[in-house]
Amino acid sequence: DTAVSQTPKYLVTQMGNDKSIKCEQNLGHDTMYWYKQDSKKFLKIMFSYNNKELIINETVPNRFSPKSPDKAHLNLHINSLELGDSAVYFCASQYRDKGYNSPLHFGNGTRLTVT
Amino acid sequence: AQSVTQLGSHVSVSEGALVLLRCNYSSSVPPYLFWYVQYPNQGLQLLLKYTSAATLVKGINGFEAEFKKSETSFHLTKPSAHMSDAAEYFCAVSVDQAGTALIFGKGTTLSVSS
Repeated sequence: DTAVSQTPKYLVTQMGNDKSIKCEQNLGHDTMYWYKQDSKKFLKIMFSYNNKELIINETVPNRFSPKSPDKAHLNLHINSLELGDSAVYFCASQYRDKGYNSPLHFGNGTRLTVT
Repeated sequence: AQSVTQLGSHVSVSEGALVLLRCNYSSSVPPYLFWYVQYPNQGLQLLLKYTSAATLVKGINGFEAEFKKSETSFHLTKPSAHMSDAAEYFCAVSVDQAGTALIFGKGTTLSVSS
């Protein structure tokens, strides 16, 4: 029943490793996002895909690469993890087509800890 | 460029008291403004949004916010706090009513005591 689901919920890994976070939405939405929330709870947008096309790519290190295999999925791959990548990563989705815009639906977050 | 400033990183109220969470915005274009709530270990949930249709916006859980252009403010209020209102609240601004590329404030933690 979960509308926007992220896996894993917790991810602990060492510096230098490569990891992926997966996101799936079953709401039929056409737009998906990745947001990063740092230790001070500050939220910042990273990427957005609309119908599998990248439409927002904020200033994010190119170690971060989003991939959208279809409209229901937006995965985030991170290469060469650094201590500063430790944060909670939120996936979100919405429907934006044909002049109707739904609210953003957020997943419950993935807490990434880099040691 | 757009930004929002939330005044007060932590607000404490007693159950039944008025809740007032402050948000001021800066925008070179007419803003679309949002309030989100985040409960522990959960994602964000939309409380309400201002899209220029009405300056007083009513949201879920008894919250409302008033857009005041002259004060560049969009403060969130609730007449009577419940224990279940304890959470993190975020004000956000966007260039469109869809909430594309939301720019968030730093959040305000609301504590409610009995």
